[in-house]
Amino acid sequence: EVQLVESGGGLVQPGGSLRLSCAASGFTFRDYSMNWVRQAPGKGLEWVSYVSSSFIYYADSVKGRFTISRDNAKNSVHLQMNSLRAEDTAVYYCVRELYYMDVWGTGTTVTVSS
Amino acid sequence: EIVMTQSPATLSVSPGERATLSCRASQSVSSNLAWYQQRPGQVPRLLIYGASTRATGIPARFSGSGSGTEFTLTISSLQSEDFAVYYCQQYYNWPPYTFGQGTKVEIE
Repeated sequence: EVQLVESGGGLVQPGGSLRLSCAASGFTFRDYSMNWVRQAPGKGLEWVSYVSSSFIYYADSVKGRFTISRDNAKNSVHLQMNSLRAEDTAVYYCVRELYYMDVWGTGTTVTVSS
Repeated sequence: EIVMTQSPATLSVSPGERATLSCRASQSVSSNLAWYQQRPGQVPRLLIYGASTRATGIPARFSGSGSGTEFTLTISSLQSEDFAVYYCQQYYNWPPYTFGQGTKVEIE
């Protein structure tokens, strides 16, 4: 079964940091590009970041603050989030893509509040 | 950045009736458009890609059409499990991938 499981969310103060992780299983991880997509409370979906074997991209809203990485040996993808703001509060989904987002993780909640 | 605009924001439909959802792109995305369903409290699920191809396991009552800037998701006969929020997403000109703001399909 194809599965993505996120971890690392929690409550953090503004200006703080968190590292999200996503463990993948059930498919050949190195063959796929991976993304993080977030959803603020009661809001829609917002693409955050992309990583393939060759490229990395970020949304303007997180550029310079978030860093995505992947470890093909451990079938995992990570999102290091620094200088967190209240507007980063959201459920963060790890997503496999074939340009369209075909497999979604269950999500991990990040709350930025003092 | 390509802006995706969905209409209406909320669609009230009775079970068994047909629902038609629209998605418009600010510039052509060819057929590089996907639709997702998000039931209350659940994770988004891929319904349609390539504007009209159903994803694995998606019932035939879901159909997608359109190309360029105008797209439609049709649910031919609404079932109780279809009441949800639906999002469109373009993957023609990226980054960034962009989503519409969503259409909520609710019970009339």
